[in-house]
Amino acid sequence: GENVEQHPSTLSVQEGDSAVIKCTYSDSASNYFPWYKQELGKGPQLIIDIRSNVGEKKDQRIAVTLNKTAKHFSLHITETQPEDSAVYFCAASIGRGSTLGRLYFGRGTQLTVWP
Amino acid sequence: DAGITQSPRHKVTETGTPVTLRCHQTENHRYMYWYRQDPGHGLRLIHYSYGVKDTDKGEVSDGYSVSRSKTEDFLLTLESATSSQTSVYFCAISEPNRGRSETQYFGPGTRLLVL
Repeated sequence: GENVEQHPSTLSVQEGDSAVIKCTYSDSASNYFPWYKQELGKGPQLIIDIRSNVGEKKDQRIAVTLNKTAKHFSLHITETQPEDSAVYFCAASIGRGSTLGRLYFGRGTQLTVWP
Repeated sequence: DAGITQSPRHKVTETGTPVTLRCHQTENHRYMYWYRQDPGHGLRLIHYSYGVKDTDKGEVSDGYSVSRSKTEDFLLTLESATSSQTSVYFCAISEPNRGRSETQYFGPGTRLLVL
C-alpha cells in the first residue's frame, strides 16, 4: 500500500512567521492529498486538499503545493497566529479499485505558534 | 463534526472484557472507517466499510471486529480488551464520488482505557 512520510514531527514558530510542513508519498498512482488540523481533544478537521491535476491551491493564509514528479506535497501557513497551534496531518489516496476511499496518513506535525 | 457522533466518549474497562464502540452518522455516506490514534503513530486504520454488510480490514485489525447492519451505524468490537488497545478511537465517513476518493470527516473520538 501507500506510504506517507511527514516532516518535521514538531515545529515552533513565532507569531507572524510562516510555517511549512512537508510530506512524501510512495505510490505514483496517488491522486488526492488532504491536510487535516487536529486541536487538543477533538477529531481531525480538513483544512485544505489538492488533487493531482493541480500544482497549487490557496485558501487565505494556507496553501498546498504538489510536485508529482518528486512525489511530495507541502502545507504552507503564512502570518501564523497562536490559534494555528495544533497537530497537522497530511494524507494521500490512490482512490481507485480496492483502495477507493482509503486515506494513508503521515504521523503528524505538532505546530506551536508563540505569541 | 459533520453529523457524526461516537459513543461512549470515554470508557474505562478491564483486561479481558468485551467492549463495543458505536459510530452514528446522519449524512447517509456509504463509507465509514475506524481509526486508532496513539502518540508517535498518527492515525492507523482498523477496519472500514463501503456499504451495509460490506467491510474490510485496515492495517491494525487484529483483536478488532466490526459490523454494519444499517447505513448510519458502524460498530467496533474489542472481543477481549487488552492494555495495548488503550487508545483514542476515531470514526470517519466519506462519500467517494465518480470513482475517486473524497474528504473524510471525523467524529469527536472515544477515549478508551484498558486496565
